Amino acid sequence: DAKTTQPNSMESNEEEPVHLPCNHSTISGTDYIHWYRQLPSQGPEYVIHGLTSNVNNRMASLAIAEDRKSSTLILHRATLRDAAVYYCILAGANSKLTFGKGITLSVRP
Amino acid sequence: NAGVTQTPKFQVLKTGQSMTLQCAQDMNHNSMYWYRQDPGMGLRLIYYSASEGTTDKGEVPNGYNVSRLNKREFSLRLESAAPSQTSVYFCASSETGGGLTEAFFGQGTRLTVV
Repeated sequence: DAKTTQPNSMESNEEEPVHLPCNHSTISGTDYIHWYRQLPSQGPEYVIHGLTSNVNNRMASLAIAEDRKSSTLILHRATLRDAAVYYCILAGANSKLTFGKGITLSVRP
Repeated sequence: NAGVTQTPKFQVLKTGQSMTLQCAQDMNHNSMYWYRQDPGMGLRLIYYSASEGTTDKGEVPNGYNVSRLNKREFSLRLESAAPSQTSVYFCASSETGGGLTEAFFGQGTRLTVV
């Protein structure tokens, strides 16, 4: 299975944009890029996913590099509630979601 | 809609005891999953079920059994609990397997084996 690489942690300020990077240099052509987040003491929560094109939803935007070897999750205005562990995951059409350690986002008031 | 419901939320077992963790989803999803999460770690897949009547091993299946009772329910059984199985267990479901659709997670079962 293709793996992803994320920094261990990142800090941001409240109400500022946040860019969370993810490297996946061994991604295959059929792998979807998923992002989930996990708030303290809760189960993971879906954020966004995409295949080739950039994606937007009410929570975030996903920017996918042209060669698909990296992607960036963009939170447009961070709030304190966005402090969580964010997981970047690759999943083929018939494969399982495999979680790494993720990146811990801290948001300063 | 309740989404994915796990019972119990907390459990303490003695070494060697058995128990079943229950999971039910009301979204008519085909695929269901069991993960465990140890402190400071990401989630590791124990078993998954691509559809009713099928199950498959994940990364860490040893010491566990599963049953996909029907489309709604996917249970995880510990036959003889060990302290190494102390963890938080999450059940998840998705409309299809893999990366096509999003997965929904339950709130977790916090299991301590003493």
